[in-house]
Amino acid sequence: DSGVTQTPKHLITATGQRVTLRCSPRSGDLSVYWYQQSLDQGLQFLIQYYNGEERAKGNILERFSAQQFPDLHSELNLSSLELGDSALYFCASSVGVGGHYGYTFGSGTRLTVV
Amino acid sequence: GQNIDQPTEMTATEGAIVQINCTYQTSGFNGLFWYQQHAGEAPTFLSYNVLDGLEEKGRFSSFLSRSKGYSYLLLKELQMKDSASYLCAVRGNTGTASKLTFGTGTRL
Repeated sequence: DSGVTQTPKHLITATGQRVTLRCSPRSGDLSVYWYQQSLDQGLQFLIQYYNGEERAKGNILERFSAQQFPDLHSELNLSSLELGDSALYFCASSVGVGGHYGYTFGSGTRLTVV
Repeated sequence: GQNIDQPTEMTATEGAIVQINCTYQTSGFNGLFWYQQHAGEAPTFLSYNVLDGLEEKGRFSSFLSRSKGYSYLLLKELQMKDSASYLCAVRGNTGTASKLTFGTGTRL
């Protein structure tokens, strides 16, 4: 157990629907990052939050949004889902920004859009 | 922007040594990371380099040359459990935003 909790582990939904993925960072970590990993693709950065504020944004689609709450957990909302959104979605956390702070990843949410 | 290249796949035998190379081009640099990822699982942290040279950690070592935009991960005494993808990631110099940009990974 890495200490980063993601729920649900698996999600199957239909095209056009909306889903919410949840992430609880490791205790003491203030930064949360969301990544998408499609089949045989690398990890694509979506968005970063630090202590409740958005800090960096990648190529996140307008249909996707995220937020970090006062208790530091984060949610990634995916709407108007398309078949191509099927992927593993990882959340990662780190205690700070910069320096040697690597990420600790959660076990991911596998999203299948049918 | 950032561009990270690493071989797609490598093959080695148990007990051998393998070197996985990574080259990067980045507008800023604030550290290079290596992660291991077993199929369908979360990546796990292996090593971090920010200064030139070699960092050794048991059977794993990582090397960095900032002037060449080059790193490698060296795995010694290979074991079956080392079969995984190895991801090279770079942190750009983006102030308080510390996101990592990952390569597509090398499947070993």
